[in-house]
Amino acid sequence: DAGVTQSPTHLIKTRGQQVTLRCSPISGHKSVSWYQQVLGQGPQFIFQYYEKEERGRGNFPDRFSARQFPNYSSELNVNALLLGDSALYLCASGSRVNYGYTFGSGTRLTVV
Amino acid sequence: QKEVEQNSGPLSVPEGAIASLNCTYSDRGSQSFFWYRQYSGKSPELIMSIYSNGDKEDGRFTAQLNKASQYVSLLIRDSQPSDSATYLCAVNKDNYGQNFVFGPGTRLSVLP
Repeated sequence: DAGVTQSPTHLIKTRGQQVTLRCSPISGHKSVSWYQQVLGQGPQFIFQYYEKEERGRGNFPDRFSARQFPNYSSELNVNALLLGDSALYLCASGSRVNYGYTFGSGTRLTVV
Repeated sequence: QKEVEQNSGPLSVPEGAIASLNCTYSDRGSQSFFWYRQYSGKSPELIMSIYSNGDKEDGRFTAQLNKASQYVSLLIRDSQPSDSATYLCAVNKDNYGQNFVFGPGTRLSVLP
């Protein structure tokens, strides 16, 4: 079975640009969450979607948005990129509330 | 006070020894607790989950939870060099969403 897949794996953007990151959950998983991990820190929660509805939002500015599609895949959008947005963006999927997540390999975003 | 705290390490143990990793959390209402292992440059990998007070064993790993003390730990018996990684403690704050709060991680180094 395929795990959580994320694309692209690496991305370089210029300040002020917009970026879209994509995630496909494990087959059968209806929950997708997005995390940002800056080097040397633990992942920070950005969004959670379950059955295409937003179930949670972390402490991130409105420049960050996400959505989940009928096939449970998800996109994370970040507008007006700042240097501080440079990080590893992790997508995780799960089958039930309160169970541990499986993470994808991440998208490393570099903003220059 | 940070929501989830861990010693950043590095924690160095000789091969074959027991590695003890500790985590404290601030939200007394937290319901479930997870340990993730993250190798350098890779995404976090779920290794243990624990939901009730006491010990939970899985192979060489034992998770311990004490909700009264708001403390969760991970013991790794017969440590191997391949266990060298950063260990992330994650706490789920509610039963509805999956708002996982991660600690900063403890870097473990197992010396051959």
